[in-house]
Amino acid sequence: ETGVTQSPTHLIKTRGQQVTLRCSSQSGHNTVSWYQQALGQGPQFIFQYYREEENGRGNFPPRFSGLQFPNYSSELNVNALELDDSALYLCASSSGGAKNIQYFGAGTRLSVL
Amino acid sequence: AQSVTQPDIHITVSEGASLELRCNYSYGATPYLFWYVQSPGQGLQLLLKYFSGDTLVQGIKGFEAEFKRSQSSFNLRKPSVHWSDAAEYFCAVGAVAAGNKLTFGGGTRVLVKP
Repeated sequence: ETGVTQSPTHLIKTRGQQVTLRCSSQSGHNTVSWYQQALGQGPQFIFQYYREEENGRGNFPPRFSGLQFPNYSSELNVNALELDDSALYLCASSSGGAKNIQYFGAGTRLSVL
Repeated sequence: AQSVTQPDIHITVSEGASLELRCNYSYGATPYLFWYVQSPGQGLQLLLKYFSGDTLVQGIKGFEAEFKRSQSSFNLRKPSVHWSDAAEYFCAVGAVAAGNKLTFGGGTRVLVKP
């Protein structure tokens, strides 16, 4: 049990729709990272938020956006959903810095039909 | 750019036998290396990490890993596998220069035979 919670656990959307995924970070953590894990693959880094500012972004288009709130919880928003967006979306929280361990939530399974 | 390769997609091992999972990384500076485990429908749990110092690191659940700079490897081992070790294992590399992002390998799925 990492103390990182994600909601919802499962979600079904249709192509072109928009979706918001939520993550509550572990107490004391000020950094949240989001990853996309397609079926049968390793997680891929989407972006990271540190103290409410984006702090690094992977190779994902602008229709993937995020927010971090003053309590360090975070949202991942995806606009204009495509079939290939179907994946497990993982949130990880940490205290910041490369030597600080990232603790993962159980993920949100998104299916785009 | 950093990258991680896990050459074995699937490994089947008998309960009680030893296990070794391979991981090769590519990164220009000193890497921070991690092994995570993922059970079906679950998130990732950290097994162990390497930042510096002793190249043999001990983790949870009886796992250990050895960092070999000359081979750019960070292989995971367990002397005696239990049925509960059946899961998917991911090697990851992270570093300050990469903005603290983790780059994962494709994973190795471990099946345990009774």
